[in-house]
Amino acid sequence: GAGVSQSPSNKVTEKGKDVELRCDPISGHTALYWYRQSLGQGLEFLIYFQGNSAPDKSGLPSDRFSAERTGGSVSTLTIQRTQQEDSAVYLCASSWGGGTIGNIQYFGAGTRLSVL
Amino acid sequence: ILNVEQSPQSLHVQEGDSTNFTCSFPSSNFYALHWYRWETAKSPEALFVMTLNGDEKKKGRISATLNTKEGYSYLYIKGSQPEDSATYLCARNTGNQFYFGTGTSLTVIP
Repeated sequence: GAGVSQSPSNKVTEKGKDVELRCDPISGHTALYWYRQSLGQGLEFLIYFQGNSAPDKSGLPSDRFSAERTGGSVSTLTIQRTQQEDSAVYLCASSWGGGTIGNIQYFGAGTRLSVL
Repeated sequence: ILNVEQSPQSLHVQEGDSTNFTCSFPSSNFYALHWYRWETAKSPEALFVMTLNGDEKKKGRISATLNTKEGYSYLYIKGSQPEDSATYLCARNTGNQFYFGTGTSLTVIP
């Protein structure tokens, strides 16, 4: 596609349920990033992929969060046993290369997750 | 400064006014500084990537400067228009990671 696509755009779930958030990066982009923005907070780095590998998982807030990327393209962020504090906008971004100074990231529109 | 900080948090200006806001960041281990514009209901859009001390970038009515030694960047908007209304984010790039500020929310009043 022309840009980074995320789905769903909105997700409402009950506390304790698992959710999967999907990101389709721009074709050819090798680097993929996940962020979240909680209410009143800045963008918080979660995880970075270079190809299918995640050299940096340091931002994942707990072991309930995991992410994978297959075929160097689509990525899925999974949150298990969701908690109310997981409510946030989850943004995905991709770029031509990761770890490269000055690489521009192209963002998707985000998934707004609400945990009731 | 341990984190990326932006000020002011929000700003209201009249159409036609010029304005500026600040991004402060740790000056050590500097790689690059990014500015993004995030309009409501849209995706954040890259404005500038700045890497060298003294860098100045310009895109139409928007420009930015960078001081890596003292750890700050300024974003300037000349002759603000209602379509400039958005949240402006800066991010410090340290290789793999991007550390974002909380943004400056700009509202341009017609």
